[in-house]
Amino acid sequence: EVQLLESGGDLVQPGGSLRLSCAASGFSFRTYTMNWVRQAPGKGLEWVSTISGNGDSVYHADSVKGRFTMSRDNSKNTLYLQMSSLRAGDTATYYCAKVRMLGTTITCDSWGPGTLVTVSS
Amino acid sequence: SVLTQPPSVSAAPGQKVTISCSISSSNIGIDYVAWYQQLPETAPKLLIYDNNRRPSEIPDRFSGSKSGASATLGITGLQTGDEADYYCAIWDDSLSAGIFGGGTKLTVL
Repeated sequence: EVQLLESGGDLVQPGGSLRLSCAASGFSFRTYTMNWVRQAPGKGLEWVSTISGNGDSVYHADSVKGRFTMSRDNSKNTLYLQMSSLRAGDTATYYCAKVRMLGTTITCDSWGPGTLVTVSS
Repeated sequence: SVLTQPPSVSAAPGQKVTISCSISSSNIGIDYVAWYQQLPETAPKLLIYDNNRRPSEIPDRFSGSKSGASATLGITGLQTGDEADYYCAIWDDSLSAGIFGGGTKLTVL
């Protein structure tokens, strides 16, 4: 059974930094492209970042480019999202999601429960 | 907005409902659309991918289609448990970016 579990969400001051983790199990982690998707309170879904299975290709939304960095450690079956220069607008639940092998890069067939990041003074 | 969805739709139990997703002209070359269901206080769930394909665990009450710049999610035999937010999504190869629609809240009256 595929399992994804995010951690690291917290209350952080504007301008601060935070690192999110996503522990994966139940599938061949290194084989799959992974996404981070976020959802601000009461709002819709927003794609944040994508990383290929071997980590060679990484893409970020314009809203986080230059501030967030997505990475992975395939030896630990873990995904990361390093966030810096955080703003109030980054307040959201952050989900990690596994991209389906067949389908486009936004086709996420498994999701974690999410971790809440709150940016506030 | 790249993907435009109606904010809300409603229908009675047992009826059919459709949710539209209009793709902007700047993304007219998009070939494939995915659909997600998000029940209250839960993570999203993949319903449809590649316009009309269903993961094996999704019942055939859910269907998808795409014609030109518009995609549609159909749900038949509505149940109260279908009350949720529904999102369309695309991957834009030219931007190397994912895009979600604004979401549609389904109410089963």
